[in-house]
Amino acid sequence: QKEVEQNSGPLSVPEGAIASLNCTYSDRGSQSFFWYRQYSGKSPELIMFIYSNGDKEDGRFTAQLNKASQYVSLLIRDSQPSDSATYLCAVLANQAGTALIFGKGTTLSVSS
Amino acid sequence: GAVVSQHPSRVICKSGTSVKIECRSLDFQATTMFWYRQFPKQSLMLMATSNEGSKATYEQGVEKDKFLINHASLTLSTLTVTSAHPEDSSFYICSAWAEPNQPQHFGDGTRLSIL
Repeated sequence: QKEVEQNSGPLSVPEGAIASLNCTYSDRGSQSFFWYRQYSGKSPELIMFIYSNGDKEDGRFTAQLNKASQYVSLLIRDSQPSDSATYLCAVLANQAGTALIFGKGTTLSVSS
Repeated sequence: GAVVSQHPSRVICKSGTSVKIECRSLDFQATTMFWYRQFPKQSLMLMATSNEGSKATYEQGVEKDKFLINHASLTLSTLTVTSAHPEDSSFYICSAWAEPNQPQHFGDGTRLSIL
């Protein structure tokens, strides 16, 4: 059973701080990793994706991947109240184009 | 680019009714679309993979006779919840990708409430 694990939170950070969201996955053969943001009652919105070990930066967001440790993280710098949402980690298990496996999500709350 | 449109956004109906949800890729062709269901405070759970021109692949525990999927063209997949009951009330979301292994794009979801 392929699994993606996230701490459900809530993770509370003050405005302007760095929020760190973590995710582990069970399938060592996983190839692609995605972070989605989901506001309450809305569908997921893609934030970042990463395929290679290391860091990938896009604006205030940095995704970090360590395949040896089966660990992927998302850092949000200069957190804003509008970043308050549930962040879903998703893993694409193989090259065959199967669907994403989602973690349960981490709820982030940024206080002003 | 890569827009996925889902319709309707909200359905409220009586128990026993069948409900059809449409998922369209507006600016790309999608040979594969995915249907997810999300209960309150839960993550997205894959229900089925919809393949253009062939039968859908259902996940374990999902009743194929209850959740009918039709992917008749490269831009449209439909999910029909047959004889819906209150326990089928959920948020149904479809997704598709423009190219394999690229990020999936999600529709806006359909909130289904069965009375």
